[in-house]
Amino acid sequence: GDSVTQMEGPVTLSEEAFLTINCTYTATGYPSLFWYVQYPGEGLQLLLKATKADDKGSNKGFEATYRKETTSFHLEKGSVQVSDSAVYFCAPSSSGGSYIPTFGRGTSLIVHP
Amino acid sequence: DVKVTQSSRYLVKRTGEKVFLECVQDMDHENMFWYRQDPGLGLRLIYFSYDVKMKEKGDIPEGYSVSREKKERFSLILESASTNQTSMYLCASRPGSRDQPQHFGDGTRLSIL
Repeated sequence: GDSVTQMEGPVTLSEEAFLTINCTYTATGYPSLFWYVQYPGEGLQLLLKATKADDKGSNKGFEATYRKETTSFHLEKGSVQVSDSAVYFCAPSSSGGSYIPTFGRGTSLIVHP
Repeated sequence: DVKVTQSSRYLVKRTGEKVFLECVQDMDHENMFWYRQDPGLGLRLIYFSYDVKMKEKGDIPEGYSVSREKKERFSLILESASTNQTSMYLCASRPGSRDQPQHFGDGTRLSIL
């Protein structure tokens, strides 16, 4: 089945710092790749997605590029804000996993003013 | 806008009780999912459903069952609640297309005393 490795948190940054959260995966074939975000007290919501190699997903200043050769989908943001404090989940979805997304353990991001 | 509604945000039950968690979606989605979320473990799939009256076990189905009598409603049942089932439970839905993201409810925090 599919598996996901995310960098462990918490990641603590000052406002306006650059953010990278690493995500690598193993999956059958060509999975669709998703990043979800969970704000305190809420469920998960889609942040961005990419469905084929070299696609770049982007939303709210966050970006991630589908790297088939390295099976990675790292999340980046050039300048984080306090409001970005949340837990971020990487989730590939492939035929090897019956197209059920496999979630990483989540990376907590804390942004200080 | 897309909406997944879980019947309770917080629930307290006693050991041995039969517990029902309800989830309703208003998007006519074919697929629905139940996860539990525990610190350090991320999201773990309990059950999912491809369509009405169809269900498949996820990674941790023991001690749980599900019901999907109508397309919009997916119920999780704890047959005889135990303290190790204290957790956050998240419901999600998704269209039949596998490239589409899941939509999550806000979760039910269940405590078993």
